[in-house]
Amino acid sequence: EPEVTQTPSHQVTQMGQEVILRCVPISNHLYFYWYRQILGQKVEFLVSFYNNEISEKSEIFDDQFSVERPDGSNFTLKIRSTKLEDSAMYFCASSEEDGTPLHFGNGTRLTVT
Amino acid sequence: DQQVKQNSPSLSVQEGRISILNCDYTNSMFDYFLWYKKYPAEGPTFLISISSIKDKNEDGRFTVFLNKSAKHLSLHIVPSQPGDSAVYFCAASASGGTSYDKVIFGPGTSLSVIP
Repeated sequence: EPEVTQTPSHQVTQMGQEVILRCVPISNHLYFYWYRQILGQKVEFLVSFYNNEISEKSEIFDDQFSVERPDGSNFTLKIRSTKLEDSAMYFCASSEEDGTPLHFGNGTRLTVT
Repeated sequence: DQQVKQNSPSLSVQEGRISILNCDYTNSMFDYFLWYKKYPAEGPTFLISISSIKDKNEDGRFTVFLNKSAKHLSLHIVPSQPGDSAVYFCAASASGGTSYDKVIFGPGTSLSVIP
């Protein structure tokens, strides 16, 4: 069964550094998402992306965050200058059509020191 | 602002018995509800969904019930199996006419099925 893949599985970075989290959504999916889960807390929506543009974003997704689909297969989340509170598990997800369930990757654990 | 609530952080059930996981929501615009299951070190996986035009949806051992007037839904697993032990997230979204962009997750309930 096709799956969403995320790399790396664990990223450690120093505060203030830029990080790029990478995702390869399922190939025929058109809608892409990033969610995050801070340890012990709930899964939070960050951003959705469709037709090469952001369709919706949460208040968490401030100017430090950006997303990009640089080619036909990758979907990236960039955090420009990481903060300690950005430490979380970041999940990429994709869906085939509007309104269909999301398929999640296994996540990237980001640790900011 | 918790739009989707799962008031039981954990639940233990004997194998073979019924597991009932509950979820409440506050946003009356939500019209599509989903349950996701999450094992440690894995992403959430879709389990079952229900739209607001229905009050029940069944898929094998899993049944979701929706009570719109009470803004409440529940997931029933019967019979429960040890492999069902996982964190279960309730999620909801509002179509806003055309888009299910933003799915809001509850905090999750950790289910342990005891052999």
